[in-house]
Amino acid sequence: DAKTTQPPSMDCAEGRAANLPCNHSTISGNEYVYWYRQIHSQGPQYIIHGLKNNETNEMASLIITEDRKSSTLILPHATLRDTAVYYCIVRSVGRGSTLGRLYFGRGTQLTVWP
Amino acid sequence: GAGVSQSPSNKVTEKGKDVELRCDPISGHTALYWYRQRLGQGLEFLIYFQGNSAPDKSGLPSDRFSAERTGESVSTLTIQRTQQEDSAVYLCASSSRLAGAQETQYFGPGTRLLVL
Repeated sequence: DAKTTQPPSMDCAEGRAANLPCNHSTISGNEYVYWYRQIHSQGPQYIIHGLKNNETNEMASLIITEDRKSSTLILPHATLRDTAVYYCIVRSVGRGSTLGRLYFGRGTQLTVWP
Repeated sequence: GAGVSQSPSNKVTEKGKDVELRCDPISGHTALYWYRQRLGQGLEFLIYFQGNSAPDKSGLPSDRFSAERTGESVSTLTIQRTQQEDSAVYLCASSSRLAGAQETQYFGPGTRLLVL
């Protein structure tokens, strides 16, 4: 599976856009980019995923570069409740039995301050 | 609708005892996953089920760990002869059909296991 690189921490003022970068320079053509977040003491929460095109849902937008080597998760109006660890994951269409697993790295600790 | 539930939410046990952790996936989800998260660490994959079968057990850290799933529903993760290094949050997730790149995994709140 392609590895991802994220900054260990970022902060953002409440009400501002939070832009979280992820580098996945070894991504292959059939691998998706997924974003999850984990609020303290809770299980991870799915945010968004994409393959090539930019995606938007009620939580966030995902911008994937044309070469697919990096992406940015955008929280358009960050709130205090968005403080969490954000994980960028490249999901491999693995052979046989490795299809299921998600590979979580260390993620980015986003702190939203008032 | 109801999400993934796990029980117990917290478990304290003595070294050497066996523990069973339970996961109830979202109804109708055919794929179920177990992960472990040690304090301050990322998630570590343990095992996943497709229906009642476990095609990938490679993440289980030792033969003290086992898991089963029945009725394509509830799963139990069993740790025998617990050790202090087994202390962690054990997370369960489920997804709606055959595991694959587009399937979104939905996580439960986890079971916090502390081995004294």
